[in-house]
Amino acid sequence: DVKVTQSSRYLVKRTGEKVFLECVQDMDHENMFWYRQDPGLGLRLIYFSYDVKMKEKGDIPEGYSVSREKKERFSLILESASTNQTSMYLCASSPPGRYTDTQYFGPGTRLTVL
Amino acid sequence: AQSVTQLDSHVSVSEGTPVLLRCNYSSSYSPSLFWYVQHPNKGLQLLLKYTSAATLVKGINGFEAEFKKSETSFHLTKPSAHMSDAAEYFCVVSEPTGANSKLTFGKGITLSVRP
Repeated sequence: DVKVTQSSRYLVKRTGEKVFLECVQDMDHENMFWYRQDPGLGLRLIYFSYDVKMKEKGDIPEGYSVSREKKERFSLILESASTNQTSMYLCASSPPGRYTDTQYFGPGTRLTVL
Repeated sequence: AQSVTQLDSHVSVSEGTPVLLRCNYSSSYSPSLFWYVQHPNKGLQLLLKYTSAATLVKGINGFEAEFKKSETSFHLTKPSAHMSDAAEYFCVVSEPTGANSKLTFGKGITLSVRP
């Protein structure tokens, strides 16, 4: 079974802090994704990566950055956290290719910014 | 650009009665379509997936969905609801981007099941 793990289930930070959210997958997947989930808005794509050291902006990248130094690990960085970044953050991974596009999700990190 | 519309934000059924969760999509390509389920405090789990094979797709836990190109719909159904089906359900469309693909999620439907 594919396993996607996220470093924290719950996180509380203060406005202006630098925040790191870590995601690790154990299936040697090339593709990794970060989403945020907000009530009534579904999941929105923040950033994704198709390879090590490669990143692409998603639909809502403002205020975020990412790092992919190793294939199995994809980090989401909030350079200066703000209250409007309070949300559930979900990481996902998938094999490459347009026809094997099932994404496997981690349990999520609920971030609260005070 | 692709999009997904889930018109109902909340559906409530009685245990043992049928479930219908509606989804309409828009895509410039022959789409891949998915339904994911999210139980409270859990990650998203794939229910089923359509990728241009049979138009009626069977998934886990007794769910199925039918792809209707003429109606641009991919509604999720189950003949008899169980209490454990209470969760949030997302319809998702996949669009190719080069050699890979990008998912677009609907806003989700919260399914409540009454005893």
